[in-house]
Parts: sequence; structure tokens; C-alpha cells
Amino acid sequence: AQSVTQLGSHVSVSEGALVLLRCNYSSSVPPYLFWYVQYPNQGLQLLLKYTTGATLVKGINGFEAEFKKSETSFHLTKPSAHMSDAAEYFCAVRRSGGSNYKLTFGKGTLLTVNP
Amino acid sequence: EAEVAQSPRYKITEKSQAVAFWCDPISGHATLYWYRQILGQGPELLVQFQDESVVDDSQLPKDRFSAERLKGVDSTLKIQPAELGDSAMYLCASSLRGTSSNNEQFFGPGTRLTVL
Repeated sequence: AQSVTQLGSHVSVSEGALVLLRCNYSSSVPPYLFWYVQYPNQGLQLLLKYTTGATLVKGINGFEAEFKKSETSFHLTKPSAHMSDAAEYFCAVRRSGGSNYKLTFGKGTLLTVNP
Repeated sequence: EAEVAQSPRYKITEKSQAVAFWCDPISGHATLYWYRQILGQGPELLVQFQDESVVDDSQLPKDRFSAERLKGVDSTLKIQPAELGDSAMYLCASSLRGTSSNNEQFFGPGTRLTVL
């Protein structure tokens, strides 16, 4: 079984400040890890994913995340926040094998960017 | 750019009524998923199809929910009768066939259901 814990349901930063959204996972098998962004009344858009290989993953809109197996973490960062980054962010985990590609999501973190 | 289509975008209904949601996945995507997202929560998988066959419906409340994908293309999710607790966003996603690590799920815009 897999699970995801996102620490902090709401994070507020100033424009230009560092963004750090925390995600810890639990998985009995090597996981694939994902970050999605959701704007109000819209579907989810993939920001980035870790499957295999390099543990530092770069995504769209300047976001990146680092897979740390020893810490079971996959935190999302961006050096400088923009107003357009205000949205809800979801971390998700999936099994790396088998035929069930079900994503298990965390509860989400709402990012507010202040001018 | 190919997208997952869903309709309607918004639905308001009274409890005990029947509702249906429709999803058209990206052309060529064999796998289709229905997720439910309650306000303030992450999406939870209700049902997964591979072509026309159900792969996982373990979280689908089968006493009131049903899903079908008769020709392995578009899909319908039905609730009968609707209950107040069914108010949520219903998201459809699709992905290519196979176990590739690049098997990304693409999400539609969702149907927001309000049950009064």
C-alpha cells in the first residue's frame, strides 16, 4: 500500500521568495512520484515526476523536486515565487511495476503568493 | 493539443436524483480513470478501465455508482440515487497502454457536482 503526507495545508510566501512544499511518502515497493498543480475549478496539470535515474527532477514553470529515498521525501521547490504560482499543489505516488497505475494523492497544499 | 473532455462542467441536483457524467479521453489512450475529489482533499480513484474492462473498482460505492466504457473509448459515470455526501469534483484522466515509466495520466477539467 502507498500513502502520501503533505506537511502544511496552506503555505504563504512573498513574491520573489523561495517556495518549499513538503511531501513524504510511504511505499512497499520502489515508487514513482509526481507533483501536480490545480488552479480553481480546473483539472490537474503535471509539474514533474520521478521514475528512475537522476534524483533531482526539473519540471515546468521553474519548479524542481528531489527524491530522497533515505528520508522518503519528494519536496517541491522554486527559487523565486511568481503571483501566477498561486494554486493548489498535490504530491502523488504510484507503484513502479504491475498493471495498476493508480495514483495515490496527498491532501494538497494551497500556495498563496503575496505581492 | 489533445485534451481529455468532460461534460457537464457543473451539475446541480437534488438528493435521490440520478446524475451522469461523460468523459472522452485523448485519442489512442487505452487506460481511463475516474477520480473523486472532495473539497479540501486530494483526488481518490473510483474506477480504472483498460480498454473496456474494469481493472480496479475497489473504491467505487457499487450500491449507487456505476461506470461503463462499452467500446473502450468514452466513458460514463452514473450516480443513482445521489446523496448529499456525493458533492465533489469528478475528474477523468487517461493514459497510454503499458507499464512505461512515461505513462503519464492526463486530466480533464472535471465535473463539479452539487447535491442539494
